[in-house]
Amino acid sequence: DTGVSQNPRHKITKRGQNVTFRCDPISEHNRLYWYRQTLGQGPEFLTYFQNEAQLEKSRLLSDRFSAERPKGSFSTLEIQRTEQGDSAMYLCASSLAVENGYTFGSGTRLTVV
Amino acid sequence: AQSVTQPDIHITVSEGASLELRCNYSYGATPYLFWYVQSPGQGLQLLLKYFSGDTLVQGIKGFEAEFKRSQSSFNLRKPSVHWSDAAEYFCAPVQDAGNMLTFGGGTRLMVKP
Repeated sequence: DTGVSQNPRHKITKRGQNVTFRCDPISEHNRLYWYRQTLGQGPEFLTYFQNEAQLEKSRLLSDRFSAERPKGSFSTLEIQRTEQGDSAMYLCASSLAVENGYTFGSGTRLTVV
Repeated sequence: AQSVTQPDIHITVSEGASLELRCNYSYGATPYLFWYVQSPGQGLQLLLKYFSGDTLVQGIKGFEAEFKRSQSSFNLRKPSVHWSDAAEYFCAPVQDAGNMLTFGGGTRLMVKP
């Protein structure tokens, strides 16, 4: 068990560019979550996968955001036409069952300049 | 509407002193309850969880939490704080298996020598 891995750890991009983040969950976990966290705030839910199916999306997830989990293993989160307001820490978590809680990765910090 | 509140944004305690961090929730039924800790620039680590049964639950790093149904609270405690406990602490309820963890705004703990 190597934990939840997120890449890259940091990303600086210019406004208007597209960015993609990757999350590798714990291998036996079928549930995968993306959260966004801004400075001084708690994490906010973005989207949830069970295996390869995206079952839930937050209203926070605008049309510029898309997430995939093609084979029920790793997941990617893409942000198109980035805006300064997208600057945040993007956290990925995985779980086998909600009663076990989630295991979080270390996050990807996005800075849009 | 479901909500979680952590009334204290910042708390400062002296090393060796006791600690209590407050968490109140508003849910239709008793949710699953979790406490997470986040060190600067890091992901979140699960401290402890409550589902049912004994209302005093033990977690890692010497933390415990007490569920009080009558007060809709799940406060985190530690008898003697160490300097390494300085971090941000998040309370996170979830209603049931079909829903997502919802995080409170967090409490930032500072420890004085």
